[in-house]
Amino acid sequence: EDKVVQSPLSLVVHEGDTVTLNCSYEVTNFRSLLWYKQEKKAPTFLFMLTSSGIEKKSGRLSSILDKKELFSILNITATQTGDSAVYLCAQGGSEKLVFGKGTKLTVNP
Amino acid sequence: DTGVSQNPRHKITKRGQNVTFRCDPISEHNRLYWYRQTLGQGPEFLTYFQNEAQLEKSRLLSDRFSAERPKGSFSTLEIQRTEQGDSAMYLCASSLVPNLGGEQYFGPGTRLTVT
Repeated sequence: EDKVVQSPLSLVVHEGDTVTLNCSYEVTNFRSLLWYKQEKKAPTFLFMLTSSGIEKKSGRLSSILDKKELFSILNITATQTGDSAVYLCAQGGSEKLVFGKGTKLTVNP
Repeated sequence: DTGVSQNPRHKITKRGQNVTFRCDPISEHNRLYWYRQTLGQGPEFLTYFQNEAQLEKSRLLSDRFSAERPKGSFSTLEIQRTEQGDSAMYLCASSLVPNLGGEQYFGPGTRLTVT
């Protein structure tokens, strides 16, 4: 069974801090690694990574994939209270997505 | 709004009752997925359709669960004889294939509470 592990499971920071969220995966049919942000509703798509070492960036968020070591990180710089959410990573291989449990990020003012 | 929509958003039912949820995907998307999410967990795959064909079902999908996508557009998920363990958020997602990495776009979910 494919397995995606995220760490930490929860994180509390102050506005302006930089955070790094981790995602490791153990899959045999890898196509991509996806990051989603989930507030009290549907997961919203952030990034899709398919190649090692190529950083994807969107504003203060960035992510990179290491296919040799089977992990990805999501960085958020200059955090804001609006970044408070659960961040999910998922492996896309066969037709379904396999999700980790998520990292709950709380950004305090 | 051209995103994925789900109805109802919330459903409270008594144990033993049947419930049905509806999902309307992004209009040009040919794949539709159902996931279930419980508190503190990531979404877990239940089943998916390509057009009207149901191509995969998880072992999580017991005999009490059935899903349809009769015309390859909207889909319904029915749970018969609900149990308290069925309480969860039911998420629908859609995608257009072929695509590079399998990105899926999620609806707002239906939160089911079985009392």
